[in-house]
Amino acid sequence: KAGVTQTPRYLIKTRGQQVTLSCSPISGHRSVSWYQQTPGQGLQFLFEYFSETQRNKGNFPGRFSGRQFSNSRSEMNVSTLELGDSALYLCASSFGTSTANSPLHFGNGTRLTVT
Amino acid sequence: QKEVEQNSGPLSVPEGAIASLNCTYSDRGSQSFFWYRQYSGKSPELIMFIYSNGDKEDGRFTAQLNKASQYVSLLIRDSQPSDSATYLCAVPRMTTDSWGKLQFGAGTQVVVTP
Repeated sequence: KAGVTQTPRYLIKTRGQQVTLSCSPISGHRSVSWYQQTPGQGLQFLFEYFSETQRNKGNFPGRFSGRQFSNSRSEMNVSTLELGDSALYLCASSFGTSTANSPLHFGNGTRLTVT
Repeated sequence: QKEVEQNSGPLSVPEGAIASLNCTYSDRGSQSFFWYRQYSGKSPELIMFIYSNGDKEDGRFTAQLNKASQYVSLLIRDSQPSDSATYLCAVPRMTTDSWGKLQFGAGTQVVVTP
């Protein structure tokens, strides 16, 4: 079974631009979560989607948004990029409706560099 | 107090020895706990999860959970250089209507020396 697929793997953008990252979950997984990872802050939760609905959202500004499609694929968008948005963005999927009993499986991530 | 706390390390362990990693959490209602391994430049990989008090063994890995003291630990027996990585403790966090958010600790870096 294929794992979580994230595209692109690497992105270089300039301040003020916007970016869209894509995530295809493991087949059969309906929940998709997004995390930002930086050396200083570690893994920070962005949002979680289940059946096309955003169920949870982390403490990030409104410039960060996402959505999930009917085939469970998900995208996240960051508008008006800032230097501090440079990070590894990780997508993870899970089978069940609750992370309490359905572990997350991570994709390889998208490395975003903002110059 | 952080929701999930780990010693950042690095934890230096001789090859063949036991690596012991600790994690404490703040939410007494937490029911399940996960350990992820992350190699440098790679994404986190699930290695263990535990729901019940006591020990759970999987190969060279043992997870230990003590809900009364709010800590969970990971033991790596017969440590190998390939175990050198950052180990992340993760605890689901209850939100308004679901256990949707997985809260991660900062991770403990383990270095196994030959």
